[in-house]
Amino acid sequence: GENVEQHPSTLSVQEGDSAVIKCTYSDSASNYFPWYKQELGKRPQLIIDIRSNVGEKKDQRIAVTLNKTAKHFSLHITETQPEDSAVYFCAANIYNQGGKLIFGQGTELSVKP
Amino acid sequence: DGGITQSPKYLFRKEGQNVTLSCEQNLNHDAMYWYRQDPGQGLRLIYYSQIVNDFQKGDIAEGYSVSREKKESFPLTVTSAQKNPTAFYLCASSPQEDTQYFGPGTRLTVL
Repeated sequence: GENVEQHPSTLSVQEGDSAVIKCTYSDSASNYFPWYKQELGKRPQLIIDIRSNVGEKKDQRIAVTLNKTAKHFSLHITETQPEDSAVYFCAANIYNQGGKLIFGQGTELSVKP
Repeated sequence: DGGITQSPKYLFRKEGQNVTLSCEQNLNHDAMYWYRQDPGQGLRLIYYSQIVNDFQKGDIAEGYSVSREKKESFPLTVTSAQKNPTAFYLCASSPQEDTQYFGPGTRLTVL
């Protein structure tokens, strides 16, 4: 079946450094790639998404890049802050299956002051 | 996502009991979804519905059932056939084939 691989599973950085999380997807027809942030015990919240007609999207300290040929996409967080500490999930849609998303396993990001 | 509510926040189930988790949305979204999340794991799709009175199985539907009688509501029943139901259950909704927004979740524990 379709799947999404996410790496690394844990990531520890110093405050102010950059963090990069990478995902690879299997369905070549996928055209929508959201990223969610989940704090402990809370709901996942959408932080940024990208569609297949663009290669990069930025929102302040967060950016996502997409390489459709290689079927991978990445989340970049610059100038990390302790409040960025959370679990981050990538996802890819399954084309023509009613908005169905396949999620990666998550990356636990720890930003040390 | 403030327009998606789930209840209860915590739920305890005895062996052999069926329990129903509520999910309501007032966002006028067509599609609704149920996910299960285990500690340190990603989100696995249980059931989803694109339209009223229709729903499809996800990747782990065994031991669960749903209904979609109203656009606003998509309740999930965890039946006694689900042998390991302890988990965090998340409901989501979306405009058709677009961004999914999550409810606050229900934490189910088997006693």
